[in-house]
Amino acid sequence: DAGVIQSPRHEVTEMGQEVTLRCKPISGHNSLFWYRQTMMRGLELLIYFNNNVPIDDSGMPEDRFSAKMPNASFSTLKIQPSEPRDSAVYFCASGNEQYFGPGTRLTVT
Amino acid sequence: QKEVEQNSGPLSVPEGAIASLNCTYSDRGSQSFFWYRQYSGKSPELIMFIYSNGDKEDGRFTAQLNKASQYVSLLIRDSQPSDSATYLCAVYSSASKIIFGSGTRLSIRP
Repeated sequence: DAGVIQSPRHEVTEMGQEVTLRCKPISGHNSLFWYRQTMMRGLELLIYFNNNVPIDDSGMPEDRFSAKMPNASFSTLKIQPSEPRDSAVYFCASGNEQYFGPGTRLTVT
Repeated sequence: QKEVEQNSGPLSVPEGAIASLNCTYSDRGSQSFFWYRQYSGKSPELIMFIYSNGDKEDGRFTAQLNKASQYVSLLIRDSQPSDSATYLCAVYSSASKIIFGSGTRLSIRP
């Protein structure tokens, strides 16, 4: 199994631009989680899905953030418009035991 | 009080010794407990999970859970320099929400 796949691995964008992060979970896992990690705030749960349905999005910081899971093998996290304070590493994790993907390092200038 | 608390460290342990990492949690109804290791610049990696009171051993790692005292610990025997990393404790709360601690930095000195 290839594990959790995330793309892109690095993203540098200008403030105000739309950013889309992608995740392919491990096949057969019913749950998928999006996290953000910064030095200041540590690892924060943004949203999680179970069977493609969003269960808890209370961690999504603002309306600028949205997440979708159109099918069991794909999820996106979108930030529109992006701001410098969104700079962080964004992780996707799959399964109840949280197998993490390699992360996307986002820099917003 | 934070929901999941860990000492941020750094915790420095000589090579070959036992490293002891501790985590306390506030939700008495929590059911599942996890330990992750995160190397600098890498993603968290699951090491152990434990659901029942007592000890659970896997190789050099032992997780200990005490629900009455609301703590979970991770022991690393025969510590190696490659064990130097940040260790994250995570707890599934009674509301089925996973909450991570801020992590403990462990340094194994040769």
